[in-house]
Amino acid sequence: GAVVSQHPSRVICKSGTSVKIECRSLDFQATTMFWYRQFPKQSLMLMATSNEGSKATYEQGVEKDKFLINHASLTLSTLTVTSAHPEDSSFYICSAVGTGGEAFFGQGTRLTVV
Amino acid sequence: AQSVAQPEDQVNVAEGNPLTVKCTYSVSGNPYLFWYVQYPNRGLQFLLKYITGDNLVKGSYGFEAEFNKSQTSFHLKKPSALVSDSALYFCAVRAKAAGNKLTFGGGTRVLVKP
Repeated sequence: GAVVSQHPSRVICKSGTSVKIECRSLDFQATTMFWYRQFPKQSLMLMATSNEGSKATYEQGVEKDKFLINHASLTLSTLTVTSAHPEDSSFYICSAVGTGGEAFFGQGTRLTVV
Repeated sequence: AQSVAQPEDQVNVAEGNPLTVKCTYSVSGNPYLFWYVQYPNRGLQFLLKYITGDNLVKGSYGFEAEFNKSQTSFHLKKPSALVSDSALYFCAVRAKAAGNKLTFGGGTRVLVKP
């Protein structure tokens, strides 16, 4: 199946700093990618839809100024957590939809803000 | 709005016994249904999908699922569970009208005991 690569897999940062997470579709082009957040022992919560060449679409309650999304090419979307706080600590996962309609997910990024 | 319900938080089964993970959904129009598996600190791995056609869908690692339109269900099954099947399983749905946006169930943790 298609491969989506997410980097880094783990990151620890200090409060107030920004962290960038990359999501790449390695063997297919993705005009749309999705960013999810997952809390321990919970399901995935869709944060935003990343659209190549245009602004991201954010879900209700997600701060667009805090979670900056850039989809500069058909194979790369980035999520930047700005001015991170401990409550932003979470597992972030990206996905891209393949030609068969199924979503392929990155490995996830464990963010810890100290 | 589309929704997915996984009524069981956890399913325990002995190795070699049949495994069933339940999923019901609600969506406008024809559903696209998916099952994913997640191992600790990892992204989601695609198992199988129902788009159209035969109601019984076969997927990866010996898993299968049956689409039942009248009961709006898409239960995941495996005839003989392995210890290595222990993981977190997510059912997901999307309607064509919702674009590629997936809605996930809450997840079911499967524990296969030797």
